[in-house]
Amino acid sequence: AQRVTQPEKLLSVFKGAPVELKCNYSYSGSPELFWYVQYSRQRLQLLLRHISRESIKGFTADLNKGETSFHLKKPFAQEEDSAMYYCALRTNSNSGYALNFGKGTSLLVTP
Amino acid sequence: EADIYQTPRYLVIGTGKKITLECSQTMGHDKMYWYQQDPGMELHLIHYSYGVNSTEKGDLSSESTVSRIRTEHFPLTLESARPSHTSQYLCASSDTRGLMGYTFGSGTRLTVV
Repeated sequence: AQRVTQPEKLLSVFKGAPVELKCNYSYSGSPELFWYVQYSRQRLQLLLRHISRESIKGFTADLNKGETSFHLKKPFAQEEDSAMYYCALRTNSNSGYALNFGKGTSLLVTP
Repeated sequence: EADIYQTPRYLVIGTGKKITLECSQTMGHDKMYWYQQDPGMELHLIHYSYGVNSTEKGDLSSESTVSRIRTEHFPLTLESARPSHTSQYLCASSDTRGLMGYTFGSGTRLTVV
């Protein structure tokens, strides 16, 4: 079965410090991975897709198939980065290419 | 503006009542999804649809039902609400390939008393 693990429920860092939100997945095939973010009182929105290899709002994430990880990183955290972050895995198995989400990590950036 | 809309945002209802949570999207997306999320927990897929007249159950067993009579509309119904149904329900949609991920609605927070 496909599974996404986000080991940290809460991550607190100081403004300007580097931040890494961990995501590990279990899937034997070729995964598609995403990071979603939910700011306070806003809806869940897409932050990053691994296939695009882009940097959004200073965040990057690299798929490491050997370690089955897709950690989200930012070199210098900002207060506006405080939000809930969800890692999601999409596979071509059952449930019609639907996304499997991790439990989420709450990031708090303090001044 | 192309978007996905969920109504109501909040609903408090008594046990045994029938409820329908509405979800509509104006993006022309083929695929639509319902997720259930308890506070601090992950999102669980409860229903999905590939298109009109297509509905499937997701990974999490749910007593709710869905219908997809029109492309843009994907309502979720609970015939007899119970306190165990108290949760947040999120609707999402994607295009056929889903490469851009999902667009999520704002969610409906349901409380059954």
